Amino acid sequence: ELKVEQNPLFLSMQEGKNYTIYCNYSTTSDRLYWYRQDPGKSLESLFVLLSNGAVKQEGRLMASLDTKARLSTLHITAAVHDLSATYFCAGALTSGTYKYIFGTGTRLKVLA
Amino acid sequence: DGGITQSPKYLFRKEGQNVTLSCEQNLNHDAMYWYRQDPGQGLRLIYYSQIVNDFQKGDIAEGYSVSREKKESFPLTVTSAQKNPTAFYLCASSKLAGGGELFFGEGSRLTVL
Repeated sequence: ELKVEQNPLFLSMQEGKNYTIYCNYSTTSDRLYWYRQDPGKSLESLFVLLSNGAVKQEGRLMASLDTKARLSTLHITAAVHDLSATYFCAGALTSGTYKYIFGTGTRLKVLA
Repeated sequence: DGGITQSPKYLFRKEGQNVTLSCEQNLNHDAMYWYRQDPGQGLRLIYYSQIVNDFQKGDIAEGYSVSREKKESFPLTVTSAQKNPTAFYLCASSKLAGGGELFFGEGSRLTVL
């Protein structure tokens, strides 16, 4: 059974600082996804990571995947207030049944 | 535009009543999913379906039912057997091939009075 854990659960950071959110998963996951959720809203896709060593970047966010360590990271560079949101990672089992399991989320607050 | 439409956005229900949440997609995706989100929590999988007329229970299926009579539609019924149904419900879909990215609807917020 796939389990996905994120840390930290809460993150308060100053504008301009760098930080990393970690996503560990328990068994082999074919792929790893990162989503953003604003308060009261749905989830928006950020990154899709399909293979070991995959790295994707969009603006101040960069995601990477290490399948051997069963670890994905979401790195925030020079944070700005607009990045305040909850970030979720999700793993997927795609052999047999396509089942997506989400982490508990990291609530990020960027302080001006 | 292609996307996923959930309705209603807000729903109030009295205890003991069944309610049905609608989810329609025009993305031609094979798979559809229902998740439940409680305040400050992550997403928990209720039911999912990969093909028409077939669906599987997720981690918290008790008190819920679904149908998949058409590829585009995957309605969720919250029955009176669901002890604590107040939550935010999210419908999602994905292509089974390629990256398999999940696309989400805007959600339905159910409150039991």
